[in-house]
Amino acid sequence: DVKVTQSSRYLVKRTGEKVFLECVQDMDHENMFWYRQDPGLGLRLIYFSYDVKMKEKGDIPEGYSVSREKKERFSLILESASTNQTSMYLCASSKTGQERDSNQPQHFGDGTRLSIL
Amino acid sequence: QKEVEQNSGPLSVPEGAIASLNCTYSDRGSQSFFWYRQYSGKSPELIMFIYSNGDKEDGRFTAQLNKASQYVSLLIRDSQPSDSATYLCAVRGLSKSTFGDGTTLTVKP
Repeated sequence: DVKVTQSSRYLVKRTGEKVFLECVQDMDHENMFWYRQDPGLGLRLIYFSYDVKMKEKGDIPEGYSVSREKKERFSLILESASTNQTSMYLCASSKTGQERDSNQPQHFGDGTRLSIL
Repeated sequence: QKEVEQNSGPLSVPEGAIASLNCTYSDRGSQSFFWYRQYSGKSPELIMFIYSNGDKEDGRFTAQLNKASQYVSLLIRDSQPSDSATYLCAVRGLSKSTFGDGTTLTVKP
């Protein structure tokens, strides 16, 4: 079974702090994704990566950055945390198939509920 | 207009009934379509995917795709209380997936 592990289930940080959310997958998947999920707004893509040291902006990248130094690890960084970044953060991974993994589902981690005070 | 829209919930059906969940999308170039189930406090898990027009059946679940109408649906037959969850429709284009907001289903015993 695919295992996507997020480093923390719950995290509390203060405004202005630099926050790191870590995600590791153990299935040698090429693709990794970071989402945030908020009531009434659904699942929104922040950043994604198709390969090591490669990243692409999703729909809401402002205030975030990412790092993918190794294939299995994808980190989300909040450069200067703000209260509007309080949310549930979900990491996902998928395998690349033909046509840019069009038929490959995403496997999600358990999520990190981040509170910024 | 949202890229992926799901029928507004919540949806409530009695145990044993058929639950019908609908999803429309705006990008005609979309290639694959996924249904995820998300229990409260948990992460989404894949139920089914479909990429060809028509129906795809897996146990009590049937996904239906109509690319001309840009419409994908999920039918759950013989609904069980354990099916109570939020169902997310995801549409994949060339580079990424876009998720709908989800429809919350409650199956009443």
